[in-house]
Amino acid sequence: DAGVTQSPTHLIKTRGQQVTLRCSPKSGHDTVSWYQQALGQGPQFIFQYYEEEERQRGNFPDRFSGHQFPNYSSELNVNALLLGDSALYLCASRLQGGQVTQYFGPGTRLLVL
Amino acid sequence: AQSVTQLDSQVPVFEEAPVELRCNYSSSVSVYLFWYVQYPNQGLQLLLKYLSGSTLVKGINGFEAEFNKSQTSFHLRKPSVHISDTAEYFCAVCLMDSNYQLIWGAGTKLIIKP
Repeated sequence: DAGVTQSPTHLIKTRGQQVTLRCSPKSGHDTVSWYQQALGQGPQFIFQYYEEEERQRGNFPDRFSGHQFPNYSSELNVNALLLGDSALYLCASRLQGGQVTQYFGPGTRLLVL
Repeated sequence: AQSVTQLDSQVPVFEEAPVELRCNYSSSVSVYLFWYVQYPNQGLQLLLKYLSGSTLVKGINGFEAEFNKSQTSFHLRKPSVHISDTAEYFCAVCLMDSNYQLIWGAGTKLIIKP
């Protein structure tokens, strides 16, 4: 049973560039959430996708956008990168319809120079 | 507003000694409670969860936690730690009325001294 996978594992970008991060959910899961974890801090909720729609959003600017595909995989896009966007980006999946527990991938570490 | 407080940023403890990592939360709605562990340069792994029923829950690697509704706490315990328990531990609450969004504490680094 494959767990949550994310790609790439590491990424270096410069200010102003755009980045796309990818996530494949755990087998059988249909809901994907994205979190940002800055160094030394707990994760912060970015948004959640279900049925290819953004269902809920945290306190992040519009530079952060996402997409969910029919196979439930998801992308996180960040435009106009800032130094402060440097963080570990975590993807989590769960099964809609009452399952509460979220399972996390290994994360993508983004460094913005 | 909901919040999670992990009272200790770091907890040093000798190997084979017991440990308690503290977590308190504030919420106006009912919550589910979780502990996750993050090993260096890795993602988050579920340790244990409280959804309902017995307030004492057991997780992986010998950890357990007790939900105390009156004190709004969910402290994590292990009777005897091992060097391999060195990691950061995060407490999180899941709001029942919000598409199960997780709200996180700042984490506690568990440092095992040989």
